[in-house]
Amino acid sequence: GAGVSQSPRYKVAKRGQDVALRCDPISGHVSLFWYQQALGQGPEFLTYFQNEAQLDKSGLPSDRFFAERPEGSVSTLKIQRTQQEDSAVYLCASSFTGLTGELFFGEGSRLTVL
Amino acid sequence: SQKIEQNSEALNIQEGKTATLTCNYTNYSPAYLQWYRQDPGRGPVFLLLIRENEKEKRKERLKVTFDTTLKQSLFHITASQPADSATYLCALGGMEYGNKLVFGAGTILRVKS
Repeated sequence: GAGVSQSPRYKVAKRGQDVALRCDPISGHVSLFWYQQALGQGPEFLTYFQNEAQLDKSGLPSDRFFAERPEGSVSTLKIQRTQQEDSAVYLCASSFTGLTGELFFGEGSRLTVL
Repeated sequence: SQKIEQNSEALNIQEGKTATLTCNYTNYSPAYLQWYRQDPGRGPVFLLLIRENEKEKRKERLKVTFDTTLKQSLFHITASQPADSATYLCALGGMEYGNKLVFGAGTILRVKS
């Protein structure tokens, strides 16, 4: 596709459920980032991949959060045992040039935990 | 830790005027600074990048300045239009920022016709 694609766009989960959010980056982009955006705030870094290698996961808020990109293309962000404070928009971005280049963002996945 | 401050209040201006948005940071200067536009329910869209050794960058009606002495970047939109209404995010990057983009909270711009 022409841009970064994320699914689902909206997800409602009951507290304690596991969720999986998918990101399909722009073809050829080696770098992939996950950000979390709370209402009225800027995106907060979660994790970064270069191809299939997860080079930085310092922003993941707890061990309930797990991300993978096994073949260096599609990535999945998994949240186990969701809590209400996990409610946010999860943004995926990709970049051709790596850490210093412009980021191309998807539309985000809005997660609401009841 | 690094702190990024953008105008917390919305900026309301009249169509045709120049909008000026501020991004201030504490501690270390970034190697580069980026500005993004975000519309409600959408992902951020890249606008401009300026590096630490550059004072000013322009693109069509947009202008970004970077003052490492004041620890500030200014983002200008000249001849503003209602379609420019959105949230504008500044983002800083470089070694002192963990080599990743760190975003401010954004400033809402409303341009009235």
